[in-house]
Amino acid sequence: AQSVTQLDSHVSVSEGTPVLLRCNYSSSYSPSLFWYVQHPNKGLQLLLKYTSAATLVKGINGFEAEFKKSETSFHLTKPSAHMSDAAEYFCVVSDSGGYNKLIFGAGTRLAVHP
Amino acid sequence: EADIYQTPRYLVIGTGKKITLECSQTMGHDKMYWYQQDPGMELHLIHYSYGVNSTEKGDLSSESTVSRIRTEHFPLTLESARPSHTSQYLCASRGFEAFFGQGTRLTVV
Repeated sequence: AQSVTQLDSHVSVSEGTPVLLRCNYSSSYSPSLFWYVQHPNKGLQLLLKYTSAATLVKGINGFEAEFKKSETSFHLTKPSAHMSDAAEYFCVVSDSGGYNKLIFGAGTRLAVHP
Repeated sequence: EADIYQTPRYLVIGTGKKITLECSQTMGHDKMYWYQQDPGMELHLIHYSYGVNSTEKGDLSSESTVSRIRTEHFPLTLESARPSHTSQYLCASRGFEAFFGQGTRLTVV
């Protein structure tokens, strides 16, 4: 069975400093991996996706993530945080086989301070 | 911009009422999902569908039911709402990645 672990429930950074949100997954197959962001009272928006084409994936708003098979990790980073980045972030793995269920991590709440 | 819509956005109803939460997408996706999310918490899959006339229960037990008579439409129904059903309900459809609606925030009083 596949699973996702987001290692930090809360991360707090200062504006202009780097962001690191950690995600580990378990999978018996070559996974598809995603990061979504959810701002308060909004739906989820796709930040980026890993499709096995390249291990370093660039997404929207300056975010990127690196797929490391040996570490079963897919950490999300951004060089310089903005106040508007404050939100909930979800790491997601796609289920194997024909059913393709999306399996969500518990989420990481990112706070950005002036 | 994703073309998936949920109505209503907010709903406050009394205990025992029957309600239907609407979800429609115009992307022609076969796969559609309903998730339940309490404030600040993770998403739990309650129903999914891989096409017309195909529906399955998700990982979290739910008293709600769903139907998929048309590809673009995936409504969720609660026959008798209870305060324990108070939550946010998110609908999604998927080609490769998933697209989410804005959600319905349900309060049962």
